[in-house]
Amino acid sequence: DAGVTQSPTHLIKTRGQQVTLRCSPKSGHDTVSWYQQALGQGPQFIFQYYEEEERQRGNFPDRFSGHQFPNYSSELNVNALLLGDSALYLCASSLLGAETQYFGPGTRLLVL
Amino acid sequence: DAKTTQPPSMDCAEGRAANLPCNHSTISGNEYVYWYRQIHSQGPQYIIHGLKNNETNEMASLIITEDRKSSTLILPHATLRDTAVYYCIVRALMQTGANNLFFGTGTRLTVIP
Repeated sequence: DAGVTQSPTHLIKTRGQQVTLRCSPKSGHDTVSWYQQALGQGPQFIFQYYEEEERQRGNFPDRFSGHQFPNYSSELNVNALLLGDSALYLCASSLLGAETQYFGPGTRLLVL
Repeated sequence: DAKTTQPPSMDCAEGRAANLPCNHSTISGNEYVYWYRQIHSQGPQYIIHGLKNNETNEMASLIITEDRKSSTLILPHATLRDTAVYYCIVRALMQTGANNLFFGTGTRLTVIP
């Protein structure tokens, strides 16, 4: 049983560009959450998707958007990249209302 | 979600028990205590969670005080692979809503040979 997978593992972009990160949830899970983790900090919640809709959002600007597909996989899009967007982006999956979220290995984004 | 306080770092000798404390004095009656850990450059890994009773699984034990204002995660026989940042998180479970995690800065545990 595959756990949460994310792609790509690493990515380098320049300021102003756009990026798309991908996540496949753990088998049987229907809910995907995205987190941003800056160096030396704990992960910060970006948003959560369920039934292809954004259900909750953290304190992130509209440049951060997402999508969930019918197979429950998800994408995180970031427009107009800033240097401060450099971080590890984590995807976590769960069943809606379930007790535990399971995290993927993350995508490390570097903005130059 | 209630705020938690953890020491920034701790050391533990290999083979000894590691006891990681967490204060959550403002915890509400419907909030659970969760522990995750993050080994360098990997995604957080779920360890254990509890509401009011002590819990044990194959990874660790969770001791929650009777007033629920603090808890301790116990790794009974720490190994070098337990070196990681440990996060204590409290959150309520909602049947229909989002159940997301709000991480602090955690405790960096270093297991020493």
